[in-house]
Amino acid sequence: ELKVEQNPLFLSMQEGKNYTIYCNYSTTSDRLYWYRQDPGKSLESLFVLLSNGAVKQEGRLMASLDTKARLSTLHITAAVHDLSATYFCAGPSAGTYKYIFGTGTRLKVLA
Amino acid sequence: DTEVTQTPKHLVMGMTNKKSLKCEQHMGHRAMYWYKQKAKKPPELMFVYSYEKLSINESVPSRFSPECPNSSLLNLHLHALQPEDSALYLCASSQGLKGRSNQPQHFGDGTRLSIL
Repeated sequence: ELKVEQNPLFLSMQEGKNYTIYCNYSTTSDRLYWYRQDPGKSLESLFVLLSNGAVKQEGRLMASLDTKARLSTLHITAAVHDLSATYFCAGPSAGTYKYIFGTGTRLKVLA
Repeated sequence: DTEVTQTPKHLVMGMTNKKSLKCEQHMGHRAMYWYKQKAKKPPELMFVYSYEKLSINESVPSRFSPECPNSSLLNLHLHALQPEDSALYLCASSQGLKGRSNQPQHFGDGTRLSIL
């Protein structure tokens, strides 16, 4: 079954800085999803990456997918406090209805 | 506005009570999910219904009983829960394409469940 690993697990960063969250997965997958979760809230879809080389951007967040390397990245540009949240990547388990979630990255942006 | 509606938002129950969580979606999705989420952890899959049939049960204790009355509704019946069952319960839906969906799962706001 697909395994998904994220790192780092926790990220504390200053406002205005850039950083990248990594999502590695264990078996071939041609799609990958990113979600955001605020404390006590539900999961909100951020990006759907559907093919090798896919890149999506929304505001200060940019996600990419490299299916050959089995790697997706979520890049944060010039972080602001509002980006503080937990970010999950998830991949579909082939041939099933399951989605396998990474461990999540808790991002804290300090003023 | 969320496209997946869950009720209630909060639920406090004793270990001998029986209650139900409800979930509704009107996006025409054919797969619906129950997840349990503890603080600072990823969602943990409990059940999946696809085309109104139970397709995945992740070895969930029988004190949790899912039901899918129709393609838009999903219930989770609770009975004789334990304190460790206190968590956020999330309902989600997806297109129902095994591993091939070009849309993300859509999550409801969740039910915060506390067992006394």
